[in-house]
Formats: sequence, structure tokens, C-alpha cells
Amino acid sequence: TQLLEQSPQFLSIQEGENLTVYCNSSSVFSSLQWYRQEPGEGPVLLVTVVTGGEVKKLKRLTFQFGDARKDSSLHITAAQTGDTGLYLCAGDSNSGYALNFGKGTSLLVTP
Amino acid sequence: KAGVTQTPRYLIKTRGQQVTLSCSPISGHRSVSWYQQTPGQGLQFLFEYFSETQRNKGNFPGRFSGRQFSNSRSEMNVSTLELGDSALYLCASSPLGHNNEKLFFGSGTQLSVL
Repeated sequence: TQLLEQSPQFLSIQEGENLTVYCNSSSVFSSLQWYRQEPGEGPVLLVTVVTGGEVKKLKRLTFQFGDARKDSSLHITAAQTGDTGLYLCAGDSNSGYALNFGKGTSLLVTP
Repeated sequence: KAGVTQTPRYLIKTRGQQVTLSCSPISGHRSVSWYQQTPGQGLQFLFEYFSETQRNKGNFPGRFSGRQFSNSRSEMNVSTLELGDSALYLCASSPLGHNNEKLFFGSGTQLSVL
């Protein structure tokens, strides 16, 4: 099983602060996906990174895929209360047609 | 376009009972996968179906089963429920189920086993 370790597990910050969450593995992935899940809802895809070293930006969110394709990070600039949620990283499984998910980073942004 | 629909939204069962959960994928999506989400273990893959065939199965006991119909709708069944089966069960659909494809998740069925 290709394990994905996410850190930190919990993060509580105030509006306007910056933050970075991490997704690490000892395995190489052909791609990694980041999802955000809000309470009572299913995860929603934010981005897919495919190339080692790739950087993708989605408004205030910046995603980076490690050069060796074993890790990824998500940086949020000037966090807003609407960013509150569970951030999950997921990598494709060796067995196909399935994703391995990290346990997530639970982010709380307070006014 | 309607999203992924899961029914029921909430279920309360007792140990030893069985349960069937339903998932209607986005129109045109032929791949349906199921995940179990718990606070301790996170999201864990249960199985994936494409054109009524199970292509992959996660590491769960045989009490967990599923099927897919010709219209791509899917059901999963859990027999002889245990307390540890309490979880949010999420269904996701995608056009073909290939790697890198975007998964569209439903809102889940929250199962409580008493």
C-alpha cells in the first residue's frame, strides 16, 4: 500500500494568515490530487499535479509537486473563513482504478 | 447536469443487520467507486465498477459487496453489520475511471451501527 502522510493533522488560524500543508510519501506517484471536503459533503477536487516540480495556482492556493513525485504541498495566502475544511491529498494506486488518500489536514479559519 | 446522488443520506442500524446503499452517477459516467471514511482511518477504497464489472477491490472483508447496473447506477451492501462499520460511505463517479481523471463525489451516506 502506498501511504500518504499529511501534516499537520489540525490547523487553526485567523483570517489573513498564510499557511502550508504537506503531503508526503516514500512512494512515487504518477500524479497527485488535492481535494477539499466541507462538513456533510463529499470531497471536491481542487487540482491534479502530474509533472515533478510542477507548480499550479488556483487563486490564493498554490500547489507544488515534488521533483521526485513523492510529495506535494498546498500553500494558502491570506486565508479566508471560506477556506475552512478538510484538505485531502490522493495518489493513484498501483492496482489501478483507485486512489490512496491521506488522512487529511483539518483547517479552521476564524474571523 | 445533476451531480452524484447517494441515498439514503442517513441510516441507523443494529449489529447483525444488513444494509444497502445506492449511488446514481453523473449522466454519462461509467465508472463508479466506493470509499469508506472514518475519523481514524480516513478515506479507504472499497471497490470500483465499470460497465457492470468490478475492476478493483480494496482490503475489506467479504461482508462488503457491490454491484453496478446497466444504467451505471451502483449499490453496495454490507451484511452482518459490526459496530466498526459505522462510517460515511462515499460514492464517486468519473467517465472512465482512468488515473488522473477527476472524481466527482456524492455527499455520502452516514451509517451508524448501534
